Amino acid sequence: DQQVKQNSPSLSVQEGRISILNCDYTNSMFDYFLWYKKYPAEGPTFLISISSIKDKNEDGRFTVFLNKSAKHLSLHIVPSQPGDSAVYFCAAITSGSRLTFGEGTQLTVNP
Amino acid sequence: EAGVTQFPSHSVIEKGQTVTLRCDPISGHDNLYWYRRVMGKEIKFLLHFVKESKQDESGMPNNRFLAERTGGTYSTLKVQPAELEDSGVYFCASSRDREETQYFGPGTRLLVL
Repeated sequence: DQQVKQNSPSLSVQEGRISILNCDYTNSMFDYFLWYKKYPAEGPTFLISISSIKDKNEDGRFTVFLNKSAKHLSLHIVPSQPGDSAVYFCAAITSGSRLTFGEGTQLTVNP
Repeated sequence: EAGVTQFPSHSVIEKGQTVTLRCDPISGHDNLYWYRRVMGKEIKFLLHFVKESKQDESGMPNNRFLAERTGGTYSTLKVQPAELEDSGVYFCASSRDREETQYFGPGTRLLVL
């Protein structure tokens, strides 16, 4: 029973364009959502988060949108840069503090 | 400030052998988590320590896995005996408080042959 799903295993975009990574969840008890970025042979690195009481959080080139009614969140990266190429994991958390991850989306930004 | 460190970075063992993974959290972080990623799938929670106490071990797959955090500093995760399906990347993460961001180590890549 996978509670967080990232249905796109890969995404390829051109440098300078927008990257949109999507994530769906099924557990309505999740109250905090996070995006992690992972390079090969490294651990996940925290990127940006959003509380369930908000619908948008922005940090530089990165914006996360949350649609609670649809149980959907997305990460927008604009403009995309080649250094953004990595695996992006969506994660959700309840008050118990354990992270529940999606399977990840491999983003490739082409120069 | 040093990040989360894990040792070894890679381990190749035969089925039936024992392996012990070590995690050193960020200094001052009371919360320590173990996660595992198998076959490129999602990263799955294994267990959570608060200082030396196991807060949540509901993600541990079976009794072949034993985690300890004596003294509330570093933690070890022992797999005994190892099975083929235990292969994967084992990540450790730490946070100062339960509500704070979890910082991950580089992982230990375990291959059981």
